[in-house]
Amino acid sequence: KQEVTQIPAALSVPEGENLVLNCSFTDSAIYNLQWFRQDPGKGLTSLLLIQSSQREQTSGRLNASLDKSSGRSTLYIAASQPGDSATYLCAVKGGTASKLTFGTGTRLQVTL
Amino acid sequence: NAGVTQTPKFQVLKTGQSMTLQCAQDMNHEYMSWYRQDPGMGLRLIHYSVGAGITDQGEVPNGYNVSRSTTEDFPLRLLSAAPSQTSVYFCASSYTGRAEAFFGQGTRLTVV
Repeated sequence: KQEVTQIPAALSVPEGENLVLNCSFTDSAIYNLQWFRQDPGKGLTSLLLIQSSQREQTSGRLNASLDKSSGRSTLYIAASQPGDSATYLCAVKGGTASKLTFGTGTRLQVTL
Repeated sequence: NAGVTQTPKFQVLKTGQSMTLQCAQDMNHEYMSWYRQDPGMGLRLIHYSVGAGITDQGEVPNGYNVSRSTTEDFPLRLLSAAPSQTSVYFCASSYTGRAEAFFGQGTRLTVV
C-alpha cells in the first residue's frame, strides 16, 4: 500500500527566505506526483505536476523535483512572500485507475 | 471556465438523514473521484469512476453510494448520515492515466 509522508508538518519562515518542503513515498511505481496548495477552508489548487519520467518542473518561483528511485520529491519556493502562506499537499498517482494518494501536508506561514 | 463544481458548500445533517453531494465537471474528463479530508489524516479516496456507468470503491467506501450516468456528473450519496461522516468532501476529475487532477472547492458536512 502506498504511503506518503510530508515533513515538516508546519513551518514558519520570514518573508524573503527560500524554503524546501519535503515529500516521500514508499512505492516507487508511480505515474506522476502532483503538488497542491490549500488555503484555509478552500479547495485544492494544483501547483505542479511531475511525470515519473521527469526530474523537475518549474512554475514561477516554484520548483519541484522528483527522485522516483529514492521515493522523494521536494518543492522549492524562492523568495517567499506572505501570500505563500497555505498548506501544501503532495499526492502520488499510481496503481489501478489513476488513484491519488495524499500526504497530510505542510502548513507554511510566511511572516513579515 | 467552471472546472469542477461542488454543491452545496456547507451542510448540516441530523444523524440518520440522507443526502446527495453534487459534483459536475465541464472538461470531458473520464475519471472522477470523491475524497474526504479529516484533520491529521490527509485526503482519503471514497469512490471513483473511470467513465459513465463504471464505478468502484476506494479506501473508505462504507456508508456512501455513487453512480455515474453521464460523463459530467458524479453524485455522492450518504444513505444514513452518522457523526463519523462529519468531514470536508472533495470531488476531483482528470483524464485517465498520467493526467493532472483538478479539484472542486469542497463541501463541509457536519452530522449532529
